[in-house]
Amino acid sequence: DGGITQSPKYLFRKEGQNVTLSCEQNLNHDAMYWYRQDPGQGLRLIYYSQIVNDFQKGDIAEGYSVSREKKESFPLTVTSAQKNPTAFYLCASSNKALSNEQFFGPGTRLTVL
Amino acid sequence: DAKTTQPPSMDCAEGRAANLPCNHSTISGNEYVYWYRQIHSQGPQYIIHGLKNNETNEMASLIITEDRKSSTLILPHATLRDTAVYYCIVRVNNAGNMLTFGGGTRLMVKP
Repeated sequence: DGGITQSPKYLFRKEGQNVTLSCEQNLNHDAMYWYRQDPGQGLRLIYYSQIVNDFQKGDIAEGYSVSREKKESFPLTVTSAQKNPTAFYLCASSNKALSNEQFFGPGTRLTVL
Repeated sequence: DAKTTQPPSMDCAEGRAANLPCNHSTISGNEYVYWYRQIHSQGPQYIIHGLKNNETNEMASLIITEDRKSSTLILPHATLRDTAVYYCIVRVNNAGNMLTFGGGTRLMVKP
């Protein structure tokens, strides 16, 4: 089945540790995105990538890093520099040639203790 | 992207039509109206989009007013599984493929 997978569903880390969230898609989509969602809030864009080996900062990129070495993978690292990392993280992808229909993964809920 | 305004919450009886409004009075001529929804603790799901004509798919109908300053998403026969936050987004097609989600409308379908 085609889709986007994120793992793990729940993640716990100690303060000061870097953590990497995985995102994989087999939809052959060019573009991939990372969003952050806080309780009761909408989504805010962290980073996006339109093509392999290229990515751009979104609205709240500070304290995060990404890589796009493969078309199907777009991992997000939450660094110790991120002041409030506890949140729900969502990965999405889209076919650049189509409309703004983005396909979202199930999300990873990160809790930093 | 044009700003949108949605009511924070709505209730709907199971089996009845759910009509979710969205105001976008500053919409420009080349901006589309998109609707997504997010069920609790899941990723958002695309529902439908349109430019100026009414649109219908297997999930919902989208009614856009003639002046394009507002729209309504219609779920014709709401079920309990339609309980979610519904987001109305207005933006130019293929504008960098970045979406910004506001607060949305929390729809509660009740038995």
